[in-house]
Amino acid sequence: AQTVTQSQPEMSVQEAETVTLSCTYDTSESDYYLFWYKQPPSRQMILVIRQEAYKQQNATENRFSVNFQKAAKSFSLKISDSQLGDAAMYFCAYRTDTGTASKLTFGTGTRLQVTL
Amino acid sequence: SQTIHQWPATLVQPVGSPLSLECTVEGTSNPNLYWYRQAAGRGLQLLFYSVGIGQISSEVPQNLSASRPQDRQFILSSKKLLLSDSGFYLCAWSGEVVNTEAFFGQGTRLTVV
Repeated sequence: AQTVTQSQPEMSVQEAETVTLSCTYDTSESDYYLFWYKQPPSRQMILVIRQEAYKQQNATENRFSVNFQKAAKSFSLKISDSQLGDAAMYFCAYRTDTGTASKLTFGTGTRLQVTL
Repeated sequence: SQTIHQWPATLVQPVGSPLSLECTVEGTSNPNLYWYRQAAGRGLQLLFYSVGIGQISSEVPQNLSASRPQDRQFILSSKKLLLSDSGFYLCAWSGEVVNTEAFFGQGTRLTVV
């Protein structure tokens, strides 16, 4: 079974600094997709960034980038130039299709605080 | 454009009462549908997912059940609620293609008293 682990329940970063959130996963599949979602206090889930497992190049979206290490099954999120609006819960997620099944599995989340 | 509706937004139910949460998607066909539960300060626990009408996969054995009576309708039910069923429930949909993101409803905050 696929599992997603986020070992940092809480992280803190100063405004304008850089922070990295960790995520590891366990799978026997070779083809899959990884996502980072943000959940602000409003509880609305927002996609931050996605990564295809077959791509070696790390995905980047403005201030957000990932460090994808397929062999290590690691998928960390780096937030550069942190802003107060980045404060939220961040969830790492994994998705694969196995014929008739299509599961989207989330980690337990990391609460990010942004301080002045 | 696609939209997802989930209701009710909040619900307070006594222990032992039934539950029915409904989720509908508009603007797409044959979506993958998901029910998640988020306990206070915790992550998203996948409860059920469905790739088609009448096709339900259960992740966590418990007193909840799910049904998909129509292509874009996903219902979460319980015959008798437990205190431990309290939490924040999220419905989500995604496209058939595996690299598409999931889109979430606004969630239902369920308190069992």
